[in-house]
Amino acid sequence: NAGVTQTPKFQVLKTGQSMTLQCAQDMNHNSMYWYRQDPGMGLRLIYYSASEGTTDKGEVPNGYNVSRLNKREFSLRLESAAPSQTSVYFCASSPGQGLNQPQHFGDGTRLSIL
Amino acid sequence: SQQGEEDPQALSIQEGENATMNCSYKTSINNLQWYRQNSGRGLVHLILIRSNEREKHSGRLRVTLDTSKKSSSLLITASRAADTASYFCAEGGSTLGRLYFGRGTQLTVWP
Repeated sequence: NAGVTQTPKFQVLKTGQSMTLQCAQDMNHNSMYWYRQDPGMGLRLIYYSASEGTTDKGEVPNGYNVSRLNKREFSLRLESAAPSQTSVYFCASSPGQGLNQPQHFGDGTRLSIL
Repeated sequence: SQQGEEDPQALSIQEGENATMNCSYKTSINNLQWYRQNSGRGLVHLILIRSNEREKHSGRLRVTLDTSKKSSSLLITASRAADTASYFCAEGGSTLGRLYFGRGTQLTVWP
């Protein structure tokens, strides 16, 4: 069972470049999430998709866009990368049925913006 | 910010000892979850405790929840070197599926 798969695992960009981070889950989950993790800050929610066809902003959405391509896939796009977006990005999914749902995480994309 | 706080930020113990980590949160919750993160990996769900529960066990893990103090604790008994990881609490509130994570406790267990 693959669970949540993120690609790429590592990426280095120059300021101003654009990039899409890919995420796919094979657990038939309804909800998907994008987080960023910075040293000393824990995880902060960027965007989430409660179900296919819907997306909502989280705590730190500025500079990002998302697409819920289908039930399996949820991508995160940086249109014009900035050094402040250097971080580790995690995708997660949950069944989405009700309020008490554990989230399943991918292993992250480590992104450096020069 | 709704971000909760774990205490301590770092904990270093010997194998066989117990490890206790605490989490304080700010708002009303529906559930409180604990996750583990090994270095370079994603988070792994450990245990979920609902707001109407006071204690929950899973193997060597024991979680307590005190909603009057807005706090939770995670106890790992008889720690092993393989328990070395960061541990995060996450508040589950009223927004479907959305969690608010704390900054984590770095646990190091020495052989």
